[in-house]
Amino acid sequence: NAGVMQNPRHLVRRRGQEARLRCSPMKGHSHVYWYRQLPEEGLKFMVYLQKENIIDESGMPKERFSAEFPKEGPSILRIQQVVRGDSAAYFCASHHPTVQETQYFGPGTRLLVL
Amino acid sequence: AQSVTQPDIHITVSEGASLELRCNYSYGATPYLFWYVQSPGQGLQLLLKYFSGDTLVQGIKGFEAEFKRSQSSFNLRKPSVHWSDAAEYFCAVAARETDKLIFGTGTRLQVFP
Repeated sequence: NAGVMQNPRHLVRRRGQEARLRCSPMKGHSHVYWYRQLPEEGLKFMVYLQKENIIDESGMPKERFSAEFPKEGPSILRIQQVVRGDSAAYFCASHHPTVQETQYFGPGTRLLVL
Repeated sequence: AQSVTQPDIHITVSEGASLELRCNYSYGATPYLFWYVQSPGQGLQLLLKYFSGDTLVQGIKGFEAEFKRSQSSFNLRKPSVHWSDAAEYFCAVAARETDKLIFGTGTRLQVFP
């Protein structure tokens, strides 16, 4: 049973470009969370999604950031017009619908904005 | 609002020594509590979790943690540290309603031979 997959593992973008980060949850998991880890800091919650539904986006910046989890395919975290302050590690976690308390994390995508 | 405090930013121990990493939380009800470990450049691995019941929980890699409601603490312990335990350790609390995790700022553990 493969774990949570994230790609790309490393992403370099210039200011103003778009960044798309993908997350494939563990098999059977229909709940996905995105977290951001700034350098030398802990993880901060961004958004919680179920298939085709955003449950909690209280941690998402109001502008430039969006997330989706379509019926088919991976969850996508999209950052438009990236700025240097977006440089961070972005982690995805998933959990089983009937085992809500335990989240399993992917390896993360490290975004560097030049 | 929920919050987690890890007072020690950096801890250094000798291999074979005992270890205790501190974690204090703020939450209105009985929380779900977690310890995760992160090796450099890697994702997070769950060490152990507390939901209810026995306040002393056992995890992987020889780690254990004790939930103390009176002190709002969930400290992580290991009787004898191995060089491979060098990593960043994060304590986290989950709100029952949404289960999003609130993380502490982490404790970086360095192990000397």
